[in-house]
Amino acid sequence: GAVVSQHPSRVICKSGTSVKIECRSLDFQATTMFWYRQFPKQSLMLMATSNEGSKATYEQGVEKDKFLINHASLTLSTLTVTSAHPEDSSFYICSALGLAGGEQFFGPGTRLTVL
Amino acid sequence: TQLLEQSPQFLSIQEGENLTVYCNSSSVFSSLQWYRQEPGEGPVLLVTVVTGGEVKKLKRLTFQFGDARKDSSLHITAAQPGDTGLYLCAGAWTDKLIFGTGTRLQVFP
Repeated sequence: GAVVSQHPSRVICKSGTSVKIECRSLDFQATTMFWYRQFPKQSLMLMATSNEGSKATYEQGVEKDKFLINHASLTLSTLTVTSAHPEDSSFYICSALGLAGGEQFFGPGTRLTVL
Repeated sequence: TQLLEQSPQFLSIQEGENLTVYCNSSSVFSSLQWYRQEPGEGPVLLVTVVTGGEVKKLKRLTFQFGDARKDSSLHITAAQPGDTGLYLCAGAWTDKLIFGTGTRLQVFP
């Protein structure tokens, strides 16, 4: 089956620092990847759609200068949380769409804690 | 803005009981998916329903897509502790998935 990995699985950082989260499709190519955020006891909220070789499309209310997304290859998208603050603490999940479209394959998530 | 409301929000039942989770929207979706998510993990796809009125069965789980493709239900027969988790419906909207508000299920032995 299609496997998506995320790295790191957990990260703790100080307020004001930047954190990069990687999302990789391990056994398939993905022109489109999605980034979601999930606060405790809540559902997944789509943050942005990442397309290989082009700028990401952000959902309403998501600051593009704070959440930098790069999708430089067909197997890797990165999310950088810049100048992180405690309110950015959340579970960040990516998903990848194969070249043929259809099902999104989800990564295992990254738990970010900002102190 | 597309919204998917799930009910109930929380459900705590004994092993062997039956339950139904509902997913409702005012929007029409081209397809609807159900996921289960364990704590600290990504969601895992259970089923995709595409046709209005469609019913799919997955062992003790029965999924139904409303005729108008705006709502769906998940029925679990004889729930087991292993069914415990967060159940999420998600509607397909263009190339995106819009997730429902979630139903947290706890099944006690």
